[in-house]
Amino acid sequence: NAGVTQTPKFQVLKTGQSMTLQCAQDMNHNSMYWYRQDPGMGLRLIYYSASEGTTDKGEVPNGYNVSRLNKREFSLRLESAAPSQTSVYFCASSTRQGTYQETQYFGPGTRLLVL
Amino acid sequence: ILNVEQSPQSLHVQEGDSTNFTCSFPSSNFYALHWYRWETAKSPEALFVMTLNGDEKKKGRISATLNTKEGYSYLYIKGSQPEDSATYLCAFGSGNTGKLIFGQGTTLQVKP
Repeated sequence: NAGVTQTPKFQVLKTGQSMTLQCAQDMNHNSMYWYRQDPGMGLRLIYYSASEGTTDKGEVPNGYNVSRLNKREFSLRLESAAPSQTSVYFCASSTRQGTYQETQYFGPGTRLLVL
Repeated sequence: ILNVEQSPQSLHVQEGDSTNFTCSFPSSNFYALHWYRWETAKSPEALFVMTLNGDEKKKGRISATLNTKEGYSYLYIKGSQPEDSATYLCAFGSGNTGKLIFGQGTTLQVKP
């Protein structure tokens, strides 16, 4: 089992460019999440998907869109990147459909630099 | 806005010292409190999930307690080792949705 995988590992963008961060899990989990991590800020939830076919906004959704392509895959899109979106992005998944009790399993992260 | 605060922000101890740090969270609408361990250049890994007031969890030399009435959780490490060096994150379960609100973390450095 690979667990949660993310691609790419590192990306440099120019302001205004678009890109999609990919996330996949092979644990048959229902729920998936996207977080960003900034120094001194902890992990902040961007979007989450409680189950296949549903998505919902988290704490900091502005400037992002998501797609739950199927049960395994949850992508995060930046339509027009801004320097404020320079961050480390983590994808996570958990077993049950949108419950607070389940441990979340994290991917290795994507470092994004927007110039 | 729900706030989860961790203290101290960073901690330096000698090998063999025991240490503890605090996570404070809203005491109303409590659903769950998670602890994660995050080593540099790796992904956060779950330590504990606690849901009941008075819960105590233990994994090896690491243990955690929970007080939902006053809104805090303590994480204890007994006899710290250099491999315990990491950032420890707590996260508050916000409603019955699976969403977690993370604290900013406590970074522990254990010197040999």
